[in-house]
Amino acid sequence: QLQLQESGPGLVKPSETLSLTCTVSGGPIGSSSYYWAWIRQPPGKTLEWIGNIYYTGRTDYNPSLRSRVTISVDTSMDHFSLSLNSVTAADTAVYYCARLGIIVGYGLDVWGQGTTVTVSS
Amino acid sequence: QSALTQPASVSGSPGQSITISCIGTSSDIGGYNYVSWYQQYPGKAPKLLIYDVSSRPSGVSNRFSGSKSGDTASLTISGLQAEDEADYYCSSYTIRSTVLFGGGTKVTVL
Repeated sequence: QLQLQESGPGLVKPSETLSLTCTVSGGPIGSSSYYWAWIRQPPGKTLEWIGNIYYTGRTDYNPSLRSRVTISVDTSMDHFSLSLNSVTAADTAVYYCARLGIIVGYGLDVWGQGTTVTVSS
Repeated sequence: QSALTQPASVSGSPGQSITISCIGTSSDIGGYNYVSWYQQYPGKAPKLLIYDVSSRPSGVSNRFSGSKSGDTASLTISGLQAEDEADYYCSSYTIRSTVLFGGGTKVTVL
């Protein structure tokens, strides 16, 4: 059974870079049927898609975050990563990694449990 | 890109049916049949309920059904149960290869 687990610092200072990793277990990250996505949810608010990456390294990003976001993948280690620079308090959120399935109509069919990131000095 | 539009809340009594709407544009819901719906309990990760407008993943109750007309998608919950009280989000893949979510709908079982 495929499982995803986010890891990274829970506290980041304003203007610094938020870095998270998602480890994929129970299945290969190098599948042609899936993308690997990052989504966030600020406290009390809706979900926001950050971007996703294909195992080849092809990326798609939310236009509102594109200038600050980098998503990368390491197929040998079965993990993918998120980097968000110049963070502010508005970037405080629960960050989820998830699998985006082409075969399920680009639905997010497997999710990590989420990790809370707070931006504060 | 603007979020898809959902009602903030919908309520119903046990056994009733409720419908949640999700309004988009021709660049997302109206352009593709790539509409998904998610259920989220407080403090938990979302769960995929519906994909491809009306398909259910294995294990999802057939009380949940989806449909689409033009730029509007809908999720119907039949035979409402106490366990259905949660937040529900619609999502669509777009012509720009991005993913849009709705604002979310809180379902209350009276």
